[in-house]
Amino acid sequence: GAGVSQSPSNKVTEKGKDVELRCDPISGHTALYWYRQSLGQGLEFLIYFQGNSAPDKSGLPSDRFSAERTGGSVSTLTIQRTQQEDSAVYLCASSPSRDRAYHFGNGTRLTVT
Amino acid sequence: RKEVEQDPGPFNVPEGATVAFNCTYSNSASQSFFWYRQDCRKEPKLLMSVYSSGNEDGRFTAQLNRASQYISLLIRDSKLSDSATYLCVVLNDYKLSFGAGTTVTVRA
Repeated sequence: GAGVSQSPSNKVTEKGKDVELRCDPISGHTALYWYRQSLGQGLEFLIYFQGNSAPDKSGLPSDRFSAERTGGSVSTLTIQRTQQEDSAVYLCASSPSRDRAYHFGNGTRLTVT
Repeated sequence: RKEVEQDPGPFNVPEGATVAFNCTYSNSASQSFFWYRQDCRKEPKLLMSVYSSGNEDGRFTAQLNRASQYISLLIRDSKLSDSATYLCVVLNDYKLSFGAGTTVTVRA
């Protein structure tokens, strides 16, 4: 069946531009995460959505980062005024519920020049 | 102290060998545990969940020791395709905590 889908797979942008990353979770999965992974580093938690509950935004590194999840399905992560340190792979994961294993998308590789 | 700690390795083993490594976690209330594998420049993929009674999936065996707060993964009859970074993942409430990963390289 269809897995977690992320787009674009690669994005190169100039410093200062805004970018929007998209995640389509597995159908019916109520829990959705955004993580990022810098080269050679571990996964860094960004934000968590669970159903209609208020999201946990505690991992967002600055107010330039925001995310939303419309209709409990598709999620977009927006980075405003991108900086070079934002360069990373942004991974989305979804799960049928908060206590089940998460499945990751292929990620969006963001490069800020 | 990090929430999840792993021996980074690398573990370099010949084909057919058995390799095992552990992961420790700090939160005694942690509820669920998983092993993921991550290939170079790819997303993490779920390898297996870890159950209290221990569980096997083919050549892979996972164990959980709640008293000592560690999880282990054992790979038998290792294949070249087992070369990857293995991530220990602990779920507390809804938050996933990732270890930094253990690198395994299987050589011919």
